[in-house]
Amino acid sequence: DQQVKQNSPSLSVQEGRISILNCDYTNSMFDYFLWYKKYPAEGPTFLISISSIKDKNEDGRFTVFLNKSAKHLSLHIVPSQPGDSAVYFCAASVLVRDDKIIFGKGTRLHILP
Amino acid sequence: DGGITQSPKYLFRKEGQNVTLSCEQNLNHDAMYWYRQDPGQGLRLIYYSQIVNDFQKGDIAEGYSVSREKKESFPLTVTSAQKNPTAFYLCASSWNSGANVLTFGAGSRLTVL
Repeated sequence: DQQVKQNSPSLSVQEGRISILNCDYTNSMFDYFLWYKKYPAEGPTFLISISSIKDKNEDGRFTVFLNKSAKHLSLHIVPSQPGDSAVYFCAASVLVRDDKIIFGKGTRLHILP
Repeated sequence: DGGITQSPKYLFRKEGQNVTLSCEQNLNHDAMYWYRQDPGQGLRLIYYSQIVNDFQKGDIAEGYSVSREKKESFPLTVTSAQKNPTAFYLCASSWNSGANVLTFGAGSRLTVL
């Protein structure tokens, strides 16, 4: 059973516009969420995270929003740049239980010129 | 520079052969992980280790084995029992298991001929 779901395998966005990547989760115990970015043939790199005590966290062009009641989080990238073209993984874990991190299947973002 | 080194980057193996992928970290992290990435499957956890001389099976441990004799090293052996070993393998580490940011290596691509 998939606990972290990224239902869009791919997304295309015009350069300069906003990219919105979505993630849903089923485990209500999750209290820490992360986004990773991955280029082909490289390891993922950490992008941004959010604790369940917050509903928004911002870092430069990247903002993550958390809606606990809907068990949904989203990553906003604005403005989108060509270097943002990559696969984005959503991940979640239960902080208080020191559990391992569960990853979604990823969304491939294409930034169009 | 601190980081995770995976070797080899590319590896070819004949069916029926065991192969060992190396993972070394100099980040002084306690926890280490092995993930497998397949197209459309995201990152799936094979094995993880929270401390030296201890490790646990992840979601897809069958056909794999690991050891953790040193804090810095967490080699993964892909045995002949693994039915579909061709994949991109990622090693990661963190300060401890659970809701901490994972640092990933660059990955090793294994192809079985």
